[in-house]
Amino acid sequence: QKEVEQDPGPLSVPEGAIVSLNCTYSNSAFQYFMWYRQYSRKGPELLMYTYSSGNKEDGRFTAQVDKSSKYISLFIRDSQPSDSATYLCAIPLTGGGNKLTFGTGTQLKVEL
Amino acid sequence: GAVVSQHPSWVICKSGTSVKIECRSLDFQATTMFWYRQFPKQSLMLMATSNEGSKATYEQGVEKDKFLINHASLTLSTLTVTSAHPEDSSFYICLSRDTTYQETQYFGPGTRLLVL
Repeated sequence: QKEVEQDPGPLSVPEGAIVSLNCTYSNSAFQYFMWYRQYSRKGPELLMYTYSSGNKEDGRFTAQVDKSSKYISLFIRDSQPSDSATYLCAIPLTGGGNKLTFGTGTQLKVEL
Repeated sequence: GAVVSQHPSWVICKSGTSVKIECRSLDFQATTMFWYRQFPKQSLMLMATSNEGSKATYEQGVEKDKFLINHASLTLSTLTVTSAHPEDSSFYICLSRDTTYQETQYFGPGTRLLVL
């Protein structure tokens, strides 16, 4: 079983829609969780990170962690064409010097 | 905000040549940098962990003699792809960890390598 699993999409939504992006993970010892956004042919940029269960909000973005289900989500409200990118969840490996392990990334396209 | 640069941003080379990629943290010190590789439509795969002043730690399946890593200062790590072959064509990205705030890590913009 992979440590982090993510539906690769692609996911296509109309402008203004609420987008839900999800990852599952296998190790209940994971402590914190990150979401990165990667535009085509660019390096990933950190969007949000969260340490605990529950929600963390930053503008139009909300990160949610459910440790009991080992499930993390990123919600994007009022999606814009500029949100079109690949979104990757990432989890630092415990005991691994905080090396990040990434999901495969979900490709999102927000259409006008 | 923090910036990590990579040079070159893209490179085309002939099979058999060596290519050096630099990763610099511009406004913070990075004791640790990570090198990733990303093939088209695939996720980031960790190749190695680069530690300032010591030998790099390579992930399973990554040849240390082919991918030479040098982390000579707190702001610079280099990855040299030796005797590059077409299958080494990929997007190479470094990730720099802020020595002071270790949860804070920033990716470089990536280097696209094409080996003919």
